[in-house]
Amino acid sequence: EVQLVESGGGLVQPGGSLRLSCAASGFTFTSYWMNWVRQTPGKGLEWVASIKQDGSEKYYGDSVKGRFTISRDNAKNSVSLQMNSLRAEDTAVYYCARAVAVPDYWGQGTLVTVSS
Amino acid sequence: QSALTQPPSASGSPGQSVTISCTGTSSDVGGYNYVSWYQQHPGKAPKLMIYEVSKRPSGVPDRFSGSKSGNTASLTVSGLQAVDEADYYCTSYAGSSFVFGTGTKVTVL
Repeated sequence: EVQLVESGGGLVQPGGSLRLSCAASGFTFTSYWMNWVRQTPGKGLEWVASIKQDGSEKYYGDSVKGRFTISRDNAKNSVSLQMNSLRAEDTAVYYCARAVAVPDYWGQGTLVTVSS
Repeated sequence: QSALTQPPSASGSPGQSVTISCTGTSSDVGGYNYVSWYQQHPGKAPKLMIYEVSKRPSGVPDRFSGSKSGNTASLTVSGLQAVDEADYYCTSYAGSSFVFGTGTKVTVL
């Protein structure tokens, strides 16, 4: 059974940093692009970042480029999102998602709240 | 990276059909056969209902079907049931990224 479990969310002040992690199991991790997608409370879904199977290619949404960094550890079947210079508008539920071009399996999400 | 356009809401009585549109551009929906649809109940993660325009994952009822014409994809839910009441989102591959639809709330009357 495919499982994706996010952790690391919480309350952070504007300008602060947070690191999200996603533990994957139940599939061959090195065969898939991995992604972060966020959902603002009561709003829609927004693609945040993607990383290739071997980590050699990374892509970011315009709203997070230069502030967020995606990485993966294939030995530990995990993917992370380092979030710096956080803003109020980054407040959202962050989902880890496996993808074949577009997401198929999603984790349950972790809530990030940016507020003073 | 503009969002794909979906109607905000759709509704139907039990047993009826509802169709949701998802309009993009030639750079996303029209350019690739990687359009997926997700169902999301309140407080839950999105669940894949349709992938690659019209394919259904194992376990998804055949009441759900997808299609595409040009820059617009569509999801049809036939034989509406109370459990189908949820938010539905489309997404399309857009070359090194993907873009989501604005979401449609389906209400079963």
